[in-house]
Amino acid sequence: AQSVAQPEDQVNVAEGNPLTVKCTYSVSGNPYLFWYVQYPNRGLQFLLKYITGDNLVKGSYGFEAEFNKSQTSFHLKKPSALVSDSALYFCAVRDSGTGFQKLVFGTGTRLLVSP
Amino acid sequence: NAGVTQTPKFQVLKTGQSMTLQCAQDMNHEYMSWYRQDPGMGLRLIHYSVGAGITDQGEVPNGYNVSRSTTEDFPLRLLSAAPSQTSVYFCASSPLTSRFSEQYFGPGTRLTVT
Repeated sequence: AQSVAQPEDQVNVAEGNPLTVKCTYSVSGNPYLFWYVQYPNRGLQFLLKYITGDNLVKGSYGFEAEFNKSQTSFHLKKPSALVSDSALYFCAVRDSGTGFQKLVFGTGTRLLVSP
Repeated sequence: NAGVTQTPKFQVLKTGQSMTLQCAQDMNHEYMSWYRQDPGMGLRLIHYSVGAGITDQGEVPNGYNVSRSTTEDFPLRLLSAAPSQTSVYFCASSPLTSRFSEQYFGPGTRLTVT
C-alpha cells in the first residue's frame, strides 16, 4: 500500500530566505507525486506534480520540488519565501500500479513565513 | 466554468440527524471523490466514483453513503450523524482519460455534530 510522510508539522522561515518542506513516500510501483497548498478556509490548490523525467519539477507561485528515487523523497522548495506563502502544504502520492486516481495524502505541514 | 462546487459551506447537526452534502462539477470529469480533513490526519478518502452508476469505498467509509446518478453530481449522505463525523469535507474530481491528472478540489463543507 502507498503511504506518504511529512515529518514536520510546522516550518518557520523568514521572508526572503529559502524554504524546504519535506515529503517521503512509499509505493510498490512507480510513484506519481503531487504537492497541494491550502489557504485558510479554502480548498486544496494544485502546485506541481512529478510523473516521470526531470527530477526537478517547477510549479505555481515559484515553487519547485526535487524527486529523489534513492531517498524516496519529494521535497518542496522555494528560493525566496514570501509572507503570502504561509499556508498548509500537503504532499500526495499515487502508485502507478493502481487503476484509478486514488491519492494518499500526508498529514500536512504548516508553513509560517515571518516578515 | 465554476469547477467543483460544494453546498452547504457550514452545517451544524445534532447526533442522529441525517443530511446530504452536495458536490457538483462542470468539467465532465469521470472521477469524483469525497475526503474528510481532520487535524493531524491529513485528508482521508471516504468514497469515490469512476463514473455514473459506479461507486466504491475508500479508507473511512463507515457512516457515509454515496450515489452517482450523473457525471456532474456526487452527493455524500450521513445517515445518522455522530460527533466523530465532525470534520471538514472536501469533494474532488479529475479526468480518467489522463492517468497523471491532478485532482480539483471544492471549497469544503465544515460540519459540526453536537
